[in-house]
Amino acid sequence: SYELTQPPSVSVSPGQTARITCSGDALPKQYAYWYQQKPGQAPVLVIYKDSERPSGIPERFSGSSSGTTVTLTISGVQAEDEADYYCQSADSSGTWVFGTGTKVTVL
Amino acid sequence: EVQLVESGGGLVKPGGSLRLSCAASGFTFSSYSMNWVRQAPGKGLEWVSSISSSSSYIYYADSVKGRFTISRDNAKNSLYLQMNSLRAEDTAVYYCARREEVAAAGFDYWGQGTLVTVSS
Repeated sequence: SYELTQPPSVSVSPGQTARITCSGDALPKQYAYWYQQKPGQAPVLVIYKDSERPSGIPERFSGSSSGTTVTLTISGVQAEDEADYYCQSADSSGTWVFGTGTKVTVL
Repeated sequence: EVQLVESGGGLVKPGGSLRLSCAASGFTFSSYSMNWVRQAPGKGLEWVSSISSSSSYIYYADSVKGRFTISRDNAKNSLYLQMNSLRAEDTAVYYCARREEVAAAGFDYWGQGTLVTVSS
């Protein structure tokens, strides 16, 4: 299987925009998904199919894709958005891989 | 309300075995593929295994292939993970998660996890 690479950490002030990247060779051919995980909790799906938002997820969460990189954008960051974020994608053999994870700190 | 409840975790010695269960409710279990994902203490998420709705398609991560077996019982709305030849590096919280069997669906519901500790 392949790897998905994320920056270890991103810091952002409240109300500003946080951008988290995820890079992987298979991303031009496979959809990406994003999960938010707060301490002691299970992950929550925040983006699917590169840019679709599940019901109940705030509009400030958005996703985009360009070549081998996908990006999760959190616009107007709030204190409650402080969490770990993971990208995910499938490979052609039916297996899944998660990104290395990014800790978002709200200053 | 969709619920996924894992059980069966605990302390086991290296080389030992453990069987995890995931009880599902609040949705048509037989229409969803199911997955196991683990997270070692202080580490990131690692996909472990997937099984399709009818058990026709089963996949494993290389790290567990040949040691772990995923299965499901649609009549009992339950998912299982039989873990053999356990190693210290298998120590993790194990989550079950569902995925709708349509194109490009994500893992939209997760259980709260069960902790597996492999130590002598």
